[in-house]
Amino acid sequence: QQPVQSPQAVILREGEDAVINCSSSKALYSVHWYRQKHGEAPVFLMILLKGGEQKGHEKISASFNEKKQQSSLYLTASQLSYSGTYFCGTDGGSQGNLIFGKGTKLSVKP
Amino acid sequence: EAGVAQSPRYKIIEKRQSVAFWCNPISGHATLYWYQQILGQGPKLLIQFQNNGVVDDSQLPKDRFSAERLKGVDSTLKIQPAKLEDSAVYLCASSLVLYTGELFFGEGSRLTVL
Repeated sequence: QQPVQSPQAVILREGEDAVINCSSSKALYSVHWYRQKHGEAPVFLMILLKGGEQKGHEKISASFNEKKQQSSLYLTASQLSYSGTYFCGTDGGSQGNLIFGKGTKLSVKP
Repeated sequence: EAGVAQSPRYKIIEKRQSVAFWCNPISGHATLYWYQQILGQGPKLLIQFQNNGVVDDSQLPKDRFSAERLKGVDSTLKIQPAKLEDSAVYLCASSLVLYTGELFFGEGSRLTVL
């Protein structure tokens, strides 16, 4: 079951904050976040595991609500380099297969 | 550390022709994945290998797609015959362990089927 991401797109000015949401209809073992710039490969940002273990990346943080099967990615004081498409990938824990959402396109303007 | 290598980067073929993509994962990574990414969408898992064994190929259209990882290192994904809807970027990724960590993606192979 593909996770649902919202919003589909967001435009920010440098220094503004953004929140990207990811929700699943299935119980989750972990949530992974990746960023993909145009024409490039997706790059790992962080993983959130059931039970609360979290890894972070620079000024980007995330939360994982296991009961609601939701995760949110928080980008604070956005920089031009944050522009790209953000994907969440969810893992139901059976075989460790990531299913990615459709992505949220983030554009940071000067 | 060398990243995930893929070739070719671009391929244009006519429908009903065949094509093959090659991937060499990061040294020591036991798990290898092939994803299909259609323009504007997230990557879709086609097949996952653990060493040279298939862990999951439930999303692989087996009537036209095949993949192998014979020696547990590099892998080949083949499409035969190709359809228009196969136009996409084919991403190979590898990870050190079967699933609690980071996926390292290659730059992808962009396929255009005319």
